[in-house]
Amino acid sequence: QQQVKQSPQSLIVQKGGISIINCAYENTAFDYFPWYQQFPGKGPALLIAIRPDVSEKKEGRFTISFNKSAKQFSLHIMDSQPGDSATYFCAASINSGTYKYIFGTGTRLKVLA
Amino acid sequence: DAGITQSPRHKVTETGTPVTLRCHQTENHRYMYWYRQDPGHGLRLIHYSYGVKDTDKGEVSDGYSVSRSKTEDFLLTLESATSSQTSVYFCAISTGGNTEAFFGQGTRLTVV
Repeated sequence: QQQVKQSPQSLIVQKGGISIINCAYENTAFDYFPWYQQFPGKGPALLIAIRPDVSEKKEGRFTISFNKSAKQFSLHIMDSQPGDSATYFCAASINSGTYKYIFGTGTRLKVLA
Repeated sequence: DAGITQSPRHKVTETGTPVTLRCHQTENHRYMYWYRQDPGHGLRLIHYSYGVKDTDKGEVSDGYSVSRSKTEDFLLTLESATSSQTSVYFCAISTGGNTEAFFGQGTRLTVV
């Protein structure tokens, strides 16, 4: 019940296209859903995050869509660029005393020039 | 990077030897975490700390122990390294309250 399931495992998109990565969770106690971006040889870094009281959050070319009833959330990257090529992780956490972050398995995105 | 230093950055060790990885922060964040990253498994939580001397197990804690005697340092120890512990280890910190977790640069550990 603590798992976060992420798909696809890898994704190839043409420059200018839309990249979509999906995540699903079971634990309804999760109340914070961040997305992290990781470049080779680096640690993950926060890209964008959402709380379940909103259905969508947009920051520049990056948008999180959140469906509370389906227990699913997704990352959309509009006008994908070669510089977006990285590994993306969704995550979830509970606003409790330990604030553990549970991560998905990651999606390796490659944007072709 | 948000004031997190992991050491060493790379290590090769032999099966059966003890190994200690160090995470040092200068942010005075209360919460610290150790994750391992493996292909196909993403980031899996090993142990975490919610204060000095307050630690708990994550989902893949077998074969690992941790200690936190000071706010700024969180140590991960492999008591007797095995080849299955070959991985990239990341330390993370946060202030809690569902805020951003900041990650270190990682330690690549190879057990031969």
